[in-house]
Amino acid sequence: QITLKESGLTLVKPTQTLTLTCTFSGFSLSTSGVGVGWIRQPPGKALEWLALIYWDDDKRYSPSLKSRLIITKDSSKNQVVLTVTNMDPVDTATYYCAHRRGSSGCFDVWGQGTTVTVSS
Amino acid sequence: QSVLTQPPSVSAAPGQKVTISCSGSSSNIVNNYVSWYQQLPGTAPKLLIYENNKRPSGIPDRFSGSKSGTSATLGITGLQTGDEADYYCATWDSSLGAEEFGGGTKLTVL
Repeated sequence: QITLKESGLTLVKPTQTLTLTCTFSGFSLSTSGVGVGWIRQPPGKALEWLALIYWDDDKRYSPSLKSRLIITKDSSKNQVVLTVTNMDPVDTATYYCAHRRGSSGCFDVWGQGTTVTVSS
Repeated sequence: QSVLTQPPSVSAAPGQKVTISCSGSSSNIVNNYVSWYQQLPGTAPKLLIYENNKRPSGIPDRFSGSKSGTSATLGITGLQTGDEADYYCATWDSSLGAEEFGGGTKLTVL
């Protein structure tokens, strides 16, 4: 059974850097075709994809946020970390990590999400 | 502004059928798999359809997906009040090099 859980600060100040950790179980990020992605959802708005990292360390970023995002993995710890720099109130959202089924191009299992508020 | 266009809302009576469209382009829907997600109020999204028309284990066959050209469609038959949720389509956009989600469609079961 695949599970994922997001963790990190829930309140950050403008201009600060947000670091979110996705801790997962039930799969290995060393297995061919496997990936983990981050998706966020501002209150009352649509889902927005942020970043993806694959088993071979291939990384993909949202073009609109690429300059502010860094995604890394620690396969030995079963963790994926997303760093978002220069946080702004518009970055207030629920942040989800999800298991990527590479061959199908879908997110088949999602974490429960963590709500991040950006406010001074 | 998403490159995938969905109607903001749809509604139908219990027991009826509804379809939700997802309009894209040659750089996304045409050449890549489409997936659909259901987001019940206050919960995380759940995979409903993958590879255009396949259902994960546990998803009832009341839910179906199809794709034709630059558009994809989610169909739901035998509507239940428990189907009230937001529905999102998603696919990879080869030109942008990015995963794209539609703007979401709110389903109301009257």
